Amino acid sequence: NAGVTQTPKFQVLKTGQSMTLQCAQDMNHEYMSWYRQDPGMGLRLIHYSVGAGITDQGEVPNGYNVSRSTTEDFPLRLLSAAPSQTSVYFCASRGTGATDTQYFGPGTRLTVL
Amino acid sequence: AQSVTQLGSHVSVSEGALVLLRCNYSSSVPPYLFWYVQYPNQGLQLLLKYTSAATLVKGINGFEAEFKKSETSFHLTKPSAHMSDAAEYFCAVSKNTGGFKTIFGAGTRLFVKA
Repeated sequence: NAGVTQTPKFQVLKTGQSMTLQCAQDMNHEYMSWYRQDPGMGLRLIHYSVGAGITDQGEVPNGYNVSRSTTEDFPLRLLSAAPSQTSVYFCASRGTGATDTQYFGPGTRLTVL
Repeated sequence: AQSVTQLGSHVSVSEGALVLLRCNYSSSVPPYLFWYVQYPNQGLQLLLKYTSAATLVKGINGFEAEFKKSETSFHLTKPSAHMSDAAEYFCAVSKNTGGFKTIFGAGTRLFVKA
């Protein structure tokens, strides 16, 4: 049971490039989220999903797209990277009922030049 | 709307001293409150959560927090700090028990001096 995994751990992009941050969980959780962490601002919700095929926007969705084709995977896409997207990105998943604790992945540190 | 304010971006204590990390919340609905810890270069780990069952909540690693509705506070305490407690701590609020769509505070970095 690997929990929540994220790849890559580090990434450097140039302004305007696109990329996908991968997130996977093996706990059969319905709920998944993407957060970004910036100094002095805590974590802010980008997008979330309540099940396969269902996604919605969080606090700071601009510049990011998501999809949820399977329960396990929840990739985050940056279509045209900007320096303001330099951040640490965390994926999280959460079950329901007795397993409703939110679990976080180890993070992806992204730098946009 | 919900929000969280953590008082003090940095707190420094001596090993063996009391740890007190302050958190105040705002919520238009009964809140569910959480404390997470983040060690360097790692993700967040749940320390404890308040889900209305009891106002004094005990978590892992000897931490506890007390929900005080009249003060809209959920301060985190530990009687005796250990060097391994040095980390960043986040208070968070959510409308559900699992912490989905969570609103986080800005974080408090705890330093522990030998």
